[in-house]
Amino acid sequence: EVQLVESGGDLVQPGRSLRLSCAASGFTFDNYAMHWVRQTPGKGLEWVSGISWNSGNIGYADSVKGRFTISRDNAKNSLYLQMSSLRAEDTALYYCVKGTGPGLFNCFDSWGQGTLVTVSS
Amino acid sequence: DIQMTQSPSSLSASVGDRVTITCQASQDISKYLNWYQQKPGKAPKLLMYDASNLETGVPSRFSGSGSGTDFTFTISSLQPEDTATYYCQQYDNLPFTFGPGTKVEIK
Repeated sequence: EVQLVESGGDLVQPGRSLRLSCAASGFTFDNYAMHWVRQTPGKGLEWVSGISWNSGNIGYADSVKGRFTISRDNAKNSLYLQMSSLRAEDTALYYCVKGTGPGLFNCFDSWGQGTLVTVSS
Repeated sequence: DIQMTQSPSSLSASVGDRVTITCQASQDISKYLNWYQQKPGKAPKLLMYDASNLETGVPSRFSGSGSGTDFTFTISSLQPEDTATYYCQQYDNLPFTFGPGTKVEIK
C-alpha cells in the first residue's frame, strides 16, 4: 500500500523559511515523479512543484518560482520542499503527491494527508 | 498558464439521478485531463485520467469524455457516497492547473 507522510508544517512569520518533508513507502520511489500540491479554502487546489524520478526535470508554479526548491533523496525514499521568503498567501495545506510515471507529465494517483503551513506575524 | 473552468460550481441532485459536470480549458490540452474527487477532510482521489479512462477500482457509474478544450464528467446514477467536490486538472502544460471544483450534494 502506498503511503505518503508529510511533515514540517508550522506557523511561521512572513519572510522566514520552512522545509517540508515527505516519507514515501509501499512503492518503488525512484520509479516515479513526485509533486507538491497545496490547498486553501479560498483558492482550491494549486500545483506547487514537481520533480521527475531522477531529478532531471523540475517545474514550479509561477507563484513560488525563485522562492521554493523541490528535491528528492531516492536512497531515503523522501521528497522535500524548501520554502523561503514565505508570504501570507503561502498559507495552505501542502500535499505530497505521487505521479503515475517517471516523468512530470502524468496524473497524481496517491496523496498524503497533508501538512499545514501558516504564514502569519 | 492554462486556465480551467468548471460548471456548475455546485449542484444538488437526488439519489439515482444522472449528474454532469463540464470543464473547459483556455487552450487545447488534447486528452490530458484528469478528474479528482475530494470528500470533506480527505485528500483528493484520482477518478479518471486522460479524459475518459477510469482509474482502477473506481465504480463504472463514473465516466468522462472530451478532448481539446471541452470535457464532461458524468455520474450515471448518483449515490449517497458520491457527495464530494470534483476537480478537473490539466497536465498538458506546466504549470499544471486545476479547475475551481464542483460541489455535489444529495437533495
